[in-house]
Amino acid sequence: NAGVTQTPKFRVLKTGQSMTLLCAQDMNHEYMYWYRQDPGMGLRLIHYSVGEGTTAKGEVPDGYNVSRLKKQNFLLGLESAAPSQTSVYFCASSRGTGEAFFGQGTRLTVV
Amino acid sequence: DAKTTQPTSMDCAEGRAANLPCNHSTISGNEYVYWYRQIHSQGPQYIIHGLKNNETNEMASLIITEDRKSSTLILPHATLRDTAVYYCIALNAGNMLTFGGGTRLMVKP
Repeated sequence: NAGVTQTPKFRVLKTGQSMTLLCAQDMNHEYMYWYRQDPGMGLRLIHYSVGEGTTAKGEVPDGYNVSRLKKQNFLLGLESAAPSQTSVYFCASSRGTGEAFFGQGTRLTVV
Repeated sequence: DAKTTQPTSMDCAEGRAANLPCNHSTISGNEYVYWYRQIHSQGPQYIIHGLKNNETNEMASLIITEDRKSSTLILPHATLRDTAVYYCIALNAGNMLTFGGGTRLMVKP
């Protein structure tokens, strides 16, 4: 039982490049989330999904897109990376309660 | 969801109880109190939650005042591995978790 797995763990992008972050969960959870955490700050919700085929905007959605084609996967895309998107990205899943399980994070640097 | 207020930082001696306070004076009747912690560079970890009654699990105890305006997370025998940022969150069912600044707990030898 791996829980929540994020791929990749580290990535360096050049400004303007695109990439996709993958989140996979094996707990059959309906809800999945993407957060970002800047140095010394709390987590901010980017996008979330309440079930397969659904997505919704969170607190800071601009510059990101998401897809939930399969229940176990939640993808976060950056179409044209900017230095302001340098951050640590965390994925989480839950049954819809406040008890969420988080991945170990993806450290993204945009130069 | 109700706003929560926590001290920015706290110290605790190893082996002693760590008592982390949280104020949530505007909490509504159906909002739960959740606690998470984040050890350096790792993803947040769920600790415990409660509505009205005190709760205990293998990690910690949660004491909620009778008027529900504040709560305390208790780590009964803090170890160096408990050094982390602790987040208190008031949450309505179905809403999304929102993390504030939390309390940075430093457990010292």
